[in-house]
Amino acid sequence: AQKVTQAQTEISVVEKEDVTLDCVYETRDTTYYLFWYKQPPSGELVFLIRRNSFDEQNEISGRYSWNFQKSTSSFNFTITASQVVDSAVYFCALRIQGAQKLVFGQGTRLTINP
Amino acid sequence: GAGVSQSPRYKVAKRGQDVALRCDPISGHVSLFWYQQALGQGPEFLTYFQNEAQLDKSGLPSDRFFAERPEGSVSTLKIQRTQQEDSAVYLCASSYRQGEGYEQYFGPGTRLTVT
Repeated sequence: AQKVTQAQTEISVVEKEDVTLDCVYETRDTTYYLFWYKQPPSGELVFLIRRNSFDEQNEISGRYSWNFQKSTSSFNFTITASQVVDSAVYFCALRIQGAQKLVFGQGTRLTINP
Repeated sequence: GAGVSQSPRYKVAKRGQDVALRCDPISGHVSLFWYQQALGQGPEFLTYFQNEAQLDKSGLPSDRFFAERPEGSVSTLKIQRTQQEDSAVYLCASSYRQGEGYEQYFGPGTRLTVT
């Protein structure tokens, strides 16, 4: 069975601070895909990134960066110079090859204070 | 283009009532998913369609839950004889095709409250 753990339930920081959201996953499959989604108060899950298990290169997109480490089964997400608009619940998710469903973590509620 | 839309956005039902939740996927998207999100939790998979075929319904919690997508576009999730534990946000997602290269795009959800 697959499992995603986001141990940080809530994080609160002051604007412009850097913040890292942790994600640890479990799967026996060798081919899988990892995702991050953002859920603002409106409720709609917004896709941020997808990584496959064969690509451990870190990725940067503006103020966002992702660190994928197979050795520790982690896929962490860092926001640099956080802004109030980054406040949301963030979900990490896993999908194994051959399956269509996403397995989500419990989410981390991020609050950026002005 | 338009995203995934869901209706109603909010639904209050008395225990024992039947409800129907609608999902309009992104035009041209073959795959459609339903997830249930309890308060403070991550979404949990309910069921998956490829066109009109329901290929996976392993997440449906009981036989009171039924989903259909008769023409391969709009989908309806029906819950019969609602119970309080059915209170949750029901999220619909669609993707262009099945397969690992395609992301799921989510709608805003329907918040169901069973009183």
